[in-house]
Amino acid sequence: QSALTQPASVSGSPGQSITISCTGTSSDVGGYKYVSWYQQHPGKAPKLIIFDVSNRPSGVSDRFSGSKSGHTASLTISGLQAEDEADYYCTSYTSSTTLEVFGGGTRLTVL
Amino acid sequence: QVQLDQSGTEVKKAGASVKVSCKTSGYTFKIYTISWVRQAPGQGLEWMGWINPYDGNTNYAQKFQGRVTMTTDTSTTTAYMELKSLKFGDTAVYYCARGPVLPAGPFDFWGQGTLITVSS
Repeated sequence: QSALTQPASVSGSPGQSITISCTGTSSDVGGYKYVSWYQQHPGKAPKLIIFDVSNRPSGVSDRFSGSKSGHTASLTISGLQAEDEADYYCTSYTSSTTLEVFGGGTRLTVL
Repeated sequence: QVQLDQSGTEVKKAGASVKVSCKTSGYTFKIYTISWVRQAPGQGLEWMGWINPYDGNTNYAQKFQGRVTMTTDTSTTTAYMELKSLKFGDTAVYYCARGPVLPAGPFDFWGQGTLITVSS
């Protein structure tokens, strides 16, 4: 069981927007700004797409955005494209003895 | 450009040890920690720990304490992860990643992954 809770799957049509949630506690998501999101295509290494809740690394499309409210962080992808079909993982710093916790991952299907 | 190049696929017997290398280039090695993250077949990502090449300090996830050792060689800008007493459940792709910049932060560049298969 993962420390952070994500929906197992989401789907959307090209051009639409989708949001993936990542729910934790006051010891992780709710307590720190260190929430990141990663995109992983099959057979590939994860790629950082959002860090510190809402910041995009250089080169990442502005169709990806992040936010946080209370104990829940969210990743929004606007203008869905076929290439966005992938697994998405959130992670957060945590005050527990395990310093970093991942969500279980969300499979995005572009219909 | 930042690169992390990992060693190749390994097959190990249960009870053995494995050591994975992660050769880095394109940045100042001592500024960033190196984290190790694993992914069992069809499963999600799991953080194992990090090492700070600046001073050799480590921080391991509780689940792996006593079985994992992370080291670095600053002369070759290479990080290593050794996992002992391998179990069948350790079969996974093991990734090295740059970061976090302490105290916390993202893993901004990743190696290509190393498949470790534990067999009988």
